[in-house]
Amino acid sequence: DGGITQSPKYLFRKEGQNVTLSCEQNLNHDAMYWYRQDPGQGLRLIYYSQIVNDFQKGDIAEGYSVSREKKESFPLTVTSAQKNPTAFYLCASSIRTGGNTGELFFGEGSRLTVL
Amino acid sequence: GENVEQHPSTLSVQEGDSAVIKCTYSDSASNYFPWYKQELGKRPQLIIDIRSNVGEKKDQRIAVTLNKTAKHFSLHITETQPEDSAVYFCAASPVSGNTGKLIFGQGTTLQVKP
Repeated sequence: DGGITQSPKYLFRKEGQNVTLSCEQNLNHDAMYWYRQDPGQGLRLIYYSQIVNDFQKGDIAEGYSVSREKKESFPLTVTSAQKNPTAFYLCASSIRTGGNTGELFFGEGSRLTVL
Repeated sequence: GENVEQHPSTLSVQEGDSAVIKCTYSDSASNYFPWYKQELGKRPQLIIDIRSNVGEKKDQRIAVTLNKTAKHFSLHITETQPEDSAVYFCAASPVSGNTGKLIFGQGTTLQVKP
């Protein structure tokens, strides 16, 4: 079953702790993205990667870090420096890179709650 | 950078009526404008998209129009059905920097009353 898988679906964290969200895809897509979804604010881009071992900051990268060591995987770490980390996080991938943006395929999301 | 504004934030219509959601974008060089639908508890999925060399595109009950001069585009849903109830997001793809990333609007929650 091809697709994009995020884990965990729900995660609780204490203040001051780092947490890593997993994102794996078996679609052979080059590009991968992390978005944050908050009520009334749409989807805001955190980080994106167009190729292995390369990634760029999105609009709200502060307090987050990523890695892209494998084409299939793009984990997101929410660090203790992120001031308001409670949110719904969506990972996505697309087949095209560069100027020709293609369809984004989203994972089911991870809901992070900081206690 | 690119900014996308979406209106209205909520929209309630009677089944069978039409629904229109509008978006404006700031980067005149943007050339790709998709719309995503997110049903409650599910992932966003692409429902229709349009590129800058086209003014209108239709797919059954949904259509998208693009006005490049005014930098706005709209989603039109005709003969709405209860299963159209969802959050709809517009997006624009800025060309500058050749990044391939999408900037999303704030979302519109559409409720179709039976």
